[in-house]
Amino acid sequence: QQQVKQSPQSLIVQKGGISIINCAYENTAFDYFPWYQQFPGKGPALLIAIRPDVSEKKEGRFTISFNKSAKQFSLHIMDSQPGDSATYFCAASMITGGGNKLTFGTGTQLKVEL
Amino acid sequence: DTGVSQDPRHKITKRGQNVTFRCDPISEHNRLYWYRQTLGQGPEFLTYFQNEAQLEKSRLLSDRFSAERPKGSFSTLEIQRTEQGDSAMYLCASSKGLNNEQFFGPGTRLTVL
Repeated sequence: QQQVKQSPQSLIVQKGGISIINCAYENTAFDYFPWYQQFPGKGPALLIAIRPDVSEKKEGRFTISFNKSAKQFSLHIMDSQPGDSATYFCAASMITGGGNKLTFGTGTQLKVEL
Repeated sequence: DTGVSQDPRHKITKRGQNVTFRCDPISEHNRLYWYRQTLGQGPEFLTYFQNEAQLEKSRLLSDRFSAERPKGSFSTLEIQRTEQGDSAMYLCASSKGLNNEQFFGPGTRLTVL
């Protein structure tokens, strides 16, 4: 059972453009929604995370938008740079009563072209 | 603080052999998680520890898999009688407390021939 669905599978964006990746979840008990960035041969690294009591969180060029009623959240990367080319994973977990074990989406391969 | 380390980084083994991986978490991190990642997929949860206690195991963790965290420090993941389907990247993550970020190690890539 895939509890977190992620789209698109791959994305090509021009330098300076906006990259948008979307995720949808099923389990309403999830209370923590992080986004991870992974480069080839490396482990995932946390980019930004949000709790369901806020609808948006911004850190530098990265913004999470969260829609609790639709059970959807998205990552926006502003002013995308070639160095942002990586695989991005959304995830969800239950901190309260769930041990914070992460359920990941299937990933989005982002390529930022010059 | 050198981050989460994993050893070995790569392991090639023949079907039926036993393998053991090690994870050293960030010092003072009391929670340690193991995940498995196959090509083109997101990591999947396997098990986690709080200090030395193993609190949960995924149904993905068959009887051939065992994990330990003696003394609440490093952890080992052992796979007995490896199968080709065990080929994957095995990731370890640690966090300081329940509410905090999980920091991932570089992973151990297992290839079963």
